[in-house]
Amino acid sequence: AQKVTQAQTEISVVEKEDVTLDCVYETRDTTYYLFWYKQPPSGELVFLIRRNSFDEQNEISGRYSWNFQKSTSSFNFTITASQVVDSAVYFCALSDDQAGTALIFGKGTTLSVSS
Amino acid sequence: DAGVIQSPRHEVTEMGQEVTLRCKPISGHDYLFWYRQTMMRGLELLIYFNNNVPIDDSGMPEDRFSAKMPNASFSTLKIQPSEPRDSAVYFCASSLALRGRVGEETQYFGPGTRLLVL
Repeated sequence: AQKVTQAQTEISVVEKEDVTLDCVYETRDTTYYLFWYKQPPSGELVFLIRRNSFDEQNEISGRYSWNFQKSTSSFNFTITASQVVDSAVYFCALSDDQAGTALIFGKGTTLSVSS
Repeated sequence: DAGVIQSPRHEVTEMGQEVTLRCKPISGHDYLFWYRQTMMRGLELLIYFNNNVPIDDSGMPEDRFSAKMPNASFSTLKIQPSEPRDSAVYFCASSLALRGRVGEETQYFGPGTRLLVL
């Protein structure tokens, strides 16, 4: 069955520290999609990035970077020089053919950045 | 462009009352999803529509829950009668497609409706 594991429940860092959020997924399908969403204290879910299973290129967007490794079934998210505004719950999600349309979400990692 | 719009943002009701949550998807998106977020179960899919037709409602918890999509720009999720265990945040999301060109299957979420049933 599909599964997304975010082993880190909570992480606390001080501003300007780098932080990596881990995501490990399980799927039997060869075609699947991985996502990261951010849920700030205001509650909305904000889409950050999408990756398909055939694209293992890492991606960098400003202070955000993502490392996708099929060999370890991981899709980790790094924030460089964290800021207070990065404080949020971050969700990793999986979509594959078995799940159909559903996004299978991890439990989320709560990131707290203090000044 | 407007994102997914949900109303109300907050709803407090008493057990046994009918609750109706509303959603307007992003214009041009063919797929609409309803999710529920609770502390115990996290984020879970309730139902989704394709071109206004319900495709998979296997996540709907009970017959007390029903969803409709009368047109491409409007969907409702109704709970009748409501119970305290229905208290949660209900999200609506939409996407262009299920599988397609890059990015079409990305689901964009509304701000959610925070429901409290007393």
